[in-house]
Amino acid sequence: AQRVTQPEKLLSVFKGAPVELKCNYSYSGSPELFWYVQYSRQRLQLLLRHISRESIKGFTADLNKGETSFHLKKPFAQEEDSAMYYCALYNYGQNFVFGPGTRLSVLP
Amino acid sequence: DAMVIQNPRYQVTQFGKPVTLSCSQTLNHNVMYWYQQKSSQAPKLLFHYYDKDFNNEADTPDNFQSRRPNTSFCFLDIRSPGLGDAAMYLCATRGSWGEDTEAFFGQGTRLTVV
Repeated sequence: AQRVTQPEKLLSVFKGAPVELKCNYSYSGSPELFWYVQYSRQRLQLLLRHISRESIKGFTADLNKGETSFHLKKPFAQEEDSAMYYCALYNYGQNFVFGPGTRLSVLP
Repeated sequence: DAMVIQNPRYQVTQFGKPVTLSCSQTLNHNVMYWYQQKSSQAPKLLFHYYDKDFNNEADTPDNFQSRRPNTSFCFLDIRSPGLGDAAMYLCATRGSWGEDTEAFFGQGTRLTVV
């Protein structure tokens, strides 16, 4: 069964502090992993995907197949990073499976 | 420019009164999804279309139906809304060519059942 877990419902950090949002998955095949972000009153939008191995808005995420993880990291959090973050898995059956989300709150 | 457009943004319907939510896209994507998202929960896939092929999730209630008359439009019909169907409904699209597996979301329709 495919499953995405995000253990933290809420994560609060101070501006300038490092942040790590955890994501673990279970999938029998070779997954494709994404991070989606939802800012207040805006649509869900792609932040980054593991196949592109890029850094977006200072965020990076590395797929660790051994630990079945895809944690999202940023060395210095900014207040504008406050949002809801969803880890998602694409299962090649045309479907995306989303984790429950982590609300990141960056405090001034 | 909005590429996936959902109408209306907010919908209030009466208990048991059929309601239709609409989604349109300008991306010419083959795949369209409908997700239900309740407060503080992950988006839950209801069904999706690959072109005209309809794929229903096993746990989607029969109360939820969908139509896709053409590539650009997709509708979610709730035949007899219950209080438990109050949620945000998200439409998303995805292309099926090359390596592009990014899903594009609309802004959602928030459904209130009174």
